[in-house]
Amino acid sequence: GQNIDQPTEMTATEGAIVQINCTYQTSGFNGLFWYQQHAGEAPTFLSYNVLDGLEEKGRFSSFLSRSKGYSYLLLKELQMKDSASYLCAVMDSNYQLIWGAGTKLIIKP
Amino acid sequence: EAGVTQSPTHLIKTRGQQATLRCSPISGHTSVYWYQQALGLGLQFLLWYDEGEERNRGNFPPRFSGRQFPNYSSELNVNALELEDSALYLCASSSTPGGYNEQFFGPGTRLTVL
Repeated sequence: GQNIDQPTEMTATEGAIVQINCTYQTSGFNGLFWYQQHAGEAPTFLSYNVLDGLEEKGRFSSFLSRSKGYSYLLLKELQMKDSASYLCAVMDSNYQLIWGAGTKLIIKP
Repeated sequence: EAGVTQSPTHLIKTRGQQATLRCSPISGHTSVYWYQQALGLGLQFLLWYDEGEERNRGNFPPRFSGRQFPNYSSELNVNALELEDSALYLCASSSTPGGYNEQFFGPGTRLTVL
């Protein structure tokens, strides 16, 4: 079966750095997405990785290792508004997105 | 540019009834996806429509169905509602079904089954 694993919840301090991991087992691979979802709102796109390596976009970076079936989202200089759920999703060989259950990130002052 | 829109925002039904949820994609997007998100859980893929055809469906019973209209808007129908159908139903659209395929999400319809 297809499976995406992420930690359920993480806590970090304002101004610090946090890394959210995602491991996956899917039938085929056409890219990995990270989305942010604030409580009660729709998910919004953060990043897309299809090749191995690090993609940096401001305070957020995303890393992919296809051979290990592994990705992480790195958030720097954490702000209170970063408190949200972070969803990892993999596009399989049928171009269908398989979603993880999400990681709830709690930022403390 | 208008984003993905969904209606209604909230819907309250009783067990056994039928619900219809609507979605309008971003202009120019031909693919529409439906997801169910139960409280505290991840997104569960329901259906994918592209160019008016159903391309794929998730592991849901046949009472979940839908269609895509010529203008690419879409409808999700849930028949014989059950209590566990209570969830946020999200619609997303994308410009192409393959390759780099960022999905843009609508605000969702909160369905409550009593």
